[in-house]
Amino acid sequence: GENVEQHPSTLSVQEGDSAVIKCTYSDSASNYFPWYKQELGKRPQLIIDIRSNVGEKKDQRIAVTLNKTAKHFSLHITETQPEDSAVYFCAASITRNTGNQFYFGTGTSLTVIP
Amino acid sequence: DTAVSQTPKYLVTQMGNDKSIKCEQNLGHDTMYWYKQDSKKFLKIMFSYNNKELIINETVPNRFSPKSPDKAHLNLHINSLELGDSAVYFCASSQRGSPLHFGNGTRLTVT
Repeated sequence: GENVEQHPSTLSVQEGDSAVIKCTYSDSASNYFPWYKQELGKRPQLIIDIRSNVGEKKDQRIAVTLNKTAKHFSLHITETQPEDSAVYFCAASITRNTGNQFYFGTGTSLTVIP
Repeated sequence: DTAVSQTPKYLVTQMGNDKSIKCEQNLGHDTMYWYKQDSKKFLKIMFSYNNKELIINETVPNRFSPKSPDKAHLNLHINSLELGDSAVYFCASSQRGSPLHFGNGTRLTVT
């Protein structure tokens, strides 16, 4: 099955700085890459996603890039705020007739220091 | 309110007991999932059902038995609970080509 690696496992940044989280995947059939944010004690929630026919997508302070050739994708958060502190998960998904299968990275615990 | 809802939110039980977790989605999605999140926060797929049919069973012990009576429900029954089963279990659903929507999780503690 798909193998998704995510780095770093922990990340501390000063408020206002940028944060970058990187993921790689193994299965070239993966064609959909969502990112989730999980606050303490809560469920993972989608923050941004990108499909394999797009190289970059931006939504306000959050952007995601995808390099299909190298099989890696990254999350960029600019102007970080304390409320960005959470665990972030990348995922790689393969779309099949029987639905999408999602495989998650191991998570990055982001701490934004005020 | 459209959502993925799972019950109970907390489950504390002793080793050897049998317990069930229920999940329902009213989003009209075709695919439902169970994920296990351990103490290290890893999100690991356990099962995936599409229109009531089992698609994925990721080397989960056969003490875990999912049941999908219809495409809006996916329940999880666990027999002979072990200490290592303690985790947060998330139900989720998706439509083909779209993101996962998670339930609020069930925190299972086995003592």
